[in-house]
Amino acid sequence: GAGVSQSPSNKVTEKGKDVELRCDPISGHTALYWYRQSLGQGLEFLIYFQGNSAPDKSGLPSDRFSAERTGGSVSTLTIQRTQQEDSAVYLCASSSGLAGGGETQYFGPGTRLLVL
Amino acid sequence: SQQGEEDPQALSIQEGENATMNCSYKTSINNLQWYRQNSGRGLVHLILIRSNEREKHSGRLRVTLDTSKKSSSLLITASRAADTASYFCATDEGGTALIFGKGTTLSVSS
Repeated sequence: GAGVSQSPSNKVTEKGKDVELRCDPISGHTALYWYRQSLGQGLEFLIYFQGNSAPDKSGLPSDRFSAERTGGSVSTLTIQRTQQEDSAVYLCASSSGLAGGGETQYFGPGTRLLVL
Repeated sequence: SQQGEEDPQALSIQEGENATMNCSYKTSINNLQWYRQNSGRGLVHLILIRSNEREKHSGRLRVTLDTSKKSSSLLITASRAADTASYFCATDEGGTALIFGKGTTLSVSS
């Protein structure tokens, strides 16, 4: 079946502009995660959605970052007033179970964001 | 915050050799997972080992877990050029998200 998809693959924007990144999880997966990976670094957790529960936003680095998940499926990560330090690969993952339950996370190919 | 720390940061070997990567972590975990990443893109899940397991095999992969030392190792036997990638350990503390290390970059030359 189809895996996790993300769009766009690459995004170049100017400092101060807003960007929206999209994630389509695997159908039926209730959990959705956003991570950020800076060059040569590991993954930094941003936000977690589980079903209809309130999301865990504890990883969002500033109030310029927000995310929503409509209808328990597609998610959009929005970065307002982008800064050069926001440049990174943004990865989305989904899983079929609850976080902490040992479920495998399936990752999308990521969106490479470059802020000039 | 990062939980797992991989060692070495980079590893270069010849095809056919074995590659061993280590991961150390700091707190109690439910399980530890290893992922692979090609060319800075999406990660692929390789193997999961639970806190009550000591060793697990999957094809050419062998993972060990020592909870007393808070460490894990990933062994890739008979490496191939196609194994060239970055390998990350990720710990599951029972919280919201996996905690990833910075990864080991493996280069296998033919």
